Amino acid sequence: AAGVIQSPRHLIKEKRETATLKCYPIPRHDTVYWYQQGPGQDPQFLISFYEKMQSDKGSIPDRFSAQQFSDYHSELNMSSLELGDSALYFCASSLGQGKSYEQFFGPGTRLTVL
Amino acid sequence: AQSVAQPEDQVNVAEGNPLTVKCTYSVSGNPYLFWYVQYPNRGLQFLLKYITGDNLVKGSYGFEAEFNKSQTSFHLKKPSALVSDSALYFCAVRDGSNSGYALNFGKGTSLLVTP
Repeated sequence: AAGVIQSPRHLIKEKRETATLKCYPIPRHDTVYWYQQGPGQDPQFLISFYEKMQSDKGSIPDRFSAQQFSDYHSELNMSSLELGDSALYFCASSLGQGKSYEQFFGPGTRLTVL
Repeated sequence: AQSVAQPEDQVNVAEGNPLTVKCTYSVSGNPYLFWYVQYPNRGLQFLLKYITGDNLVKGSYGFEAEFNKSQTSFHLKKPSALVSDSALYFCAVRDGSNSGYALNFGKGTSLLVTP
């Protein structure tokens, strides 16, 4: 079965640079969630989109922005990167916010900021 | 507000023995509870969920969990552990009574199954 696809899988950036992470949800899934998992930490919710509209907002820094496109893929844009942004970034998708409860996670993008 | 507590950082079990990974939750409304497993350098894999209905929920790979409302717990169990079950396990909760759909994760419990 098709899973959530994230690209790139690994990314190395310098401080103050920008990065764009991409997420392709499971086909027909209309809801996308972004989570950040720091080293040895639990995943922290950043932001979610349902039908291309922001549906929920968590601990996403103002330096980050995200959107969901007409084909339901999503991009997380990160600017003025800091060392503390180094983490594993997960995208998850689900079918409808109320119809299906479990979120299916992608393999993650490991971002390293030097 | 909603939160999850996993009181054990690590659980050690011998192969073939039963295992339990503990989770307690706190939500103001109806708890929607989930267990995920994470292998090294991999994404989170969904194991099972409790939304409503039977308190004993069966999931993937022989895992099950029991929802206990009075104790606000949702412990993960397996009758006979395998070495391949060694991984990081996360309990997560969502408040089913409000419009937010983000999952709140516990800190995770590292399960080590020894041969």
